[in-house]
Order: sequence, then C-alpha cells, then structure tokens
Amino acid sequence: SYVLTQPPSVSVAPGQTARITCGGNNIGSKSVHWYQQKPGQAPVLVVYDDSDRPSGIPERFSGSNSGNTATLTISRVEAGDEADYYCQVWDSNSDHYVFGTGTKVTVL
Amino acid sequence: QVQLVESGGGVVQPGGSLRLSCAASGFTFSSYGMHWVRQAPGKGLEWVAFIRYDGSNKYYADSVKGRFTISRDNSKNTLYLQMNSLRAEDTAVYYCAKSYCGGDCYTYLDYWGQGTLVTVSS
Repeated sequence: SYVLTQPPSVSVAPGQTARITCGGNNIGSKSVHWYQQKPGQAPVLVVYDDSDRPSGIPERFSGSNSGNTATLTISRVEAGDEADYYCQVWDSNSDHYVFGTGTKVTVL
Repeated sequence: QVQLVESGGGVVQPGGSLRLSCAASGFTFSSYGMHWVRQAPGKGLEWVAFIRYDGSNKYYADSVKGRFTISRDNSKNTLYLQMNSLRAEDTAVYYCAKSYCGGDCYTYLDYWGQGTLVTVSS
C-alpha cells in the first residue's frame, strides 16, 4: 500500500519559516492535502490540492508538490501554529485514502 | 454552518460490537461522500472507511475490512459505522468527516466532527 512519510518533529522560532515534508513514491502525480490538529481538537484542513488554501486560512500557509516530496510551508510562524500536521492523498491503486505519519511543529 | 456530531462510543470487550452514528447538518448530506477516520491515543490519523454520496461505493482500510461496515441513511442525514469483532488495537477516537465532493471524485476532507472515543478492553 502507498506510504507517506513525514519527519516526526520540526522546531522553529517565532517569525521564522517552518517547512514540513511529506514523502511518497511519485507523490507529484497526486493531489496532496494538509491538515492541522491542535491537542484535543479535530483536524482542520489548511491546504488542499497541493497549494490552495480554504477560506479563513492565513496566507502564511502554502504548499508545493513535485517528484517524490510535497511540502507545507508556514511563513512567519506564530505560537498559535504549534500543532500536529498531516498530509493526505487518495491512492487510486488501492482505493485507499492515506494519511502521512504526522509532524509535530514546536514553536520555540 | 456544517455540523457533524458523532455518538455511540464507549467501552466494549474484545470480540464485541458497537455502532457509531454521525448526525450531519448545515449541508445537503445526500450530495456528499463521507468518511470515518480514527486516531489511537497518542498516535496519528488513520483513515477507516469511505462511502459515496448515494451509498453505491464503499472503501475500507485493510485493518478493518470484513469487520467494519460503513452505511448511511440520507433520509435521516446520518452516517454509521458498524464495528464487529473489536480488538484492543481498535481503541481510538473515531471522527466522521465530510468529503469535499460527492460523485466519482476522491479528494480532501473539508469538515470534521469532534470525535467519539471507543475503548476496547476487558
């Protein structure tokens, strides 16, 4: 089955840029979506279709996808961005939705 | 506004059964695909099952196939997950989530409920 690999953790100082990767075989051929989950809360969609943002999500959140890696970028990081982040794709070969392993973003 | 409210969680013994429900409001339920996603304590998200808007197609994670059944009642705006032969490793918060689209498209989950906890323990 299709596997999405993320780094377990990313640390970043306030005001700096956080980059969270999501690795998968030829992931560039798929649409990648990103979710933010804060402790005790349900996930929230922050980027869809590689690089689009839902209404209400700050422009600081952006995404890209090419080759074997998709990336979620959080610019000008704020304390409120501290959360777990998950990538997600649809794998047509297995008819499965797949989530990445998740990355905990810590704001120093 | 879109609301998804799960219910039916609780404590069940290994080998037992449980049925989860998800009451939907704020959108035309019968036009959208729906998902169940779970999260074991301290772990990541795991997709469980998907059902098309009309119930004609259902997909399951390998870990639950043959034990869990997803269904929906569009007249009641309600999604269900029948869970049989439960195991300790099924212990998790179960979320229902709405698919962005309804037909033959397989994409992102745009709204999530708050989840219901299922604990499988003797």
